[in-house]
Amino acid sequence: AQKVTQAQTEISVVEKEDVTLDCVYETRDTTYYLFWYKQPPSGELVFLIRRNSFDEQNEISGRYSWNFQKSTSSFNFTITASQVVDSAVYFCALSEPFTGGGNKLTFGTGTQLKVEL
Amino acid sequence: DSGVTQTPKHLITATGQRVTLRCSPRSGDLSVYWYQQSLDQGLQFLIQYYNGEERAKGNILERFSAQQFPDLHSELNLSSLELGDSALYFCASSSSGTSGMANTGELFFGEGSRLTVL
Repeated sequence: AQKVTQAQTEISVVEKEDVTLDCVYETRDTTYYLFWYKQPPSGELVFLIRRNSFDEQNEISGRYSWNFQKSTSSFNFTITASQVVDSAVYFCALSEPFTGGGNKLTFGTGTQLKVEL
Repeated sequence: DSGVTQTPKHLITATGQRVTLRCSPRSGDLSVYWYQQSLDQGLQFLIQYYNGEERAKGNILERFSAQQFPDLHSELNLSSLELGDSALYFCASSSSGTSGMANTGELFFGEGSRLTVL
């Protein structure tokens, strides 16, 4: 069965610090997708990134960067120069294809990030 | 704004009652997914529909049912409600409905329907 582990339940940083959110996954599939979503206090889930299992290149988008390492089954997320607006719960997720054409995302338990002034 | 619309945003009801949550996917998206987010269970996949047909089923209780209509909107029906059903129910949509790298796209989530069962 698929599993996503986010061991960090809560992280507190001071504004402008860099912070890394860890994600470790388990799957028997050779083809899969990994995702990060952000859930701000308002409650909606905001898509941040999708990465497929064949692309191990790191990705940078502004202050956000992602490090995918297949050898350690990890997909970590780093926020550089954090801001108060980054305060949210961040979820890592793994896609799971179903026989018959369905698919679903398995989510980790989330990491609550608090950025303080 | 993800383009996915869920109604109602908040709902308070009593145990034993039945409620219906509604979801309109993004324009052009054929797949609709329902997720439940509760404090003790986290984000749990319930069910997926693709163009009106059920495609994948997760941890959905027998008291819950869903359907997707010809105009692609979806409804999640929750009956014989219990206190433990209190949760945030998300609908998500995507353009893809099949497995495989070429078709597994990101899910766009609505703002959720917060259900409180008293």
